[in-house]
Amino acid sequence: KAGVTQTPRYLIKTRGQQVTLSCSPISGHRSVSWYQQTPGQGLQFLFEYFSETQRNKGNFPGRFSGRQFSNSRSEMNVSTLELGDSALYLCASSRVFTGQARAKNIQYFGAGTRLSVL
Amino acid sequence: EDQVTQSPEALRLQEGESSSLNCSYTVSGLRGLFWYRQDPGKGPEFLFTLYSAGEEKEKERLKATLTKKESFLHITAPKPEDSATYLCAVLGQAGTALIFGKGTTLSVSS
Repeated sequence: KAGVTQTPRYLIKTRGQQVTLSCSPISGHRSVSWYQQTPGQGLQFLFEYFSETQRNKGNFPGRFSGRQFSNSRSEMNVSTLELGDSALYLCASSRVFTGQARAKNIQYFGAGTRLSVL
Repeated sequence: EDQVTQSPEALRLQEGESSSLNCSYTVSGLRGLFWYRQDPGKGPEFLFTLYSAGEEKEKERLKATLTKKESFLHITAPKPEDSATYLCAVLGQAGTALIFGKGTTLSVSS
């Protein structure tokens, strides 16, 4: 069974540009969560999508946005890139969404997209 | 506010030298505690999930335990291939996202 697939694996952009990252979840998983990982802050939650709806959002500026398609694939967009956006962006998929009560939620991660902003 | 603190930040062991990693958490109503392993340049790999105090899970040389305030990841007779960063995360009753600790980087030398 294929795991979570993220593309591209590496990106180099300059300040002010925008970028789109893609995530294909494990087959049958309908929830996709995005995280930013940096050496100083560790893993920080960006947002979660389930059935094409954003269910939860972390404490990031509006420059960070996402969407989910009917096949559960998700994209994340960052506009007006800043140097501080350089990070490893991770996508995780699960069968249920995080807020679903009494549901055992296990998130499986992709390999990530390494974004460097120059 | 839900919080996770992992210690130590880094741990160096000799092959065969058993030890434990600690994950202390503060959460209102634990819905789950998760352990992941992350190798350099890769995404976190799921290891265990624990749901209630007293629960234990084992996989090869790893054993995870859970109390009401902390979790331990015990590594028995580690090998160099166990070298990685181990991440702990919690999900609380009021939580809408996993809260991760900053991880413990384990280095095992032969």
